[in-house]
Amino acid sequence: AQKVTQAQTEISVVEKEDVTLDCVYETRDTTYYLFWYKQPPSGELVFLIRRNSFDEQNEISGRYSWNFQKSTSSFNFTITASQVVDSAVYFCALSEVSGGGADGLTFGKGTHLIIQP
Amino acid sequence: NAGVTQTPKFRILKIGQSMTLQCTQDMNHNYMYWYRQDPGMGLKLIYYSVGAGITDKGEVPNGYNVSRSTTEDFPLRLELAAPSQTSVYFCASSRTEISFWAFFGQGTRLTVV
Repeated sequence: AQKVTQAQTEISVVEKEDVTLDCVYETRDTTYYLFWYKQPPSGELVFLIRRNSFDEQNEISGRYSWNFQKSTSSFNFTITASQVVDSAVYFCALSEVSGGGADGLTFGKGTHLIIQP
Repeated sequence: NAGVTQTPKFRILKIGQSMTLQCTQDMNHNYMYWYRQDPGMGLKLIYYSVGAGITDKGEVPNGYNVSRSTTEDFPLRLELAAPSQTSVYFCASSRTEISFWAFFGQGTRLTVV
């Protein structure tokens, strides 16, 4: 069965510091998708990135970057020069292709990121 | 584009009451899902549907029922509400391909007292 582990329950950093959120996953499928979502204090889920298992290229989007390593089953998320607005709960999630998407996403428990001014 | 719309946003129920959480999407997505999020936890799948007339159980279906009479609507019914159902409920939809997983509703915060 698939599993997503976000070992960091809460991280607190001072503004402008870089911070990395860890995500480790387990799956038997060779084809799968990994996701990161942001949940700000207002409660909605904001989609950040989707990555398929065949694409190990790292991705950068502004201050955000993602490091996908199949060898260690990790999909880590780094925020560079953090800002107070980055404060939120961040979820890593996994979707296996074998289920055809029908069994939805498996979420980690989330990492609460606090950016102090 | 409305996307995925959930109503209500907040609700307080008494133990034993029933209610329906509404979810509608205007993107003509076949796949729809209901998740619940308990404090400090990730989301867990309650029920899902792969098209009108087809529904199936997820990880935590007990105490809930769903129906999918149209492509647009996927209501979640709570019968005999219990305190354990206090949670935030999210509805989501996607196209047939699983890669398009970007659409969640705003969530419904339910408290059972």
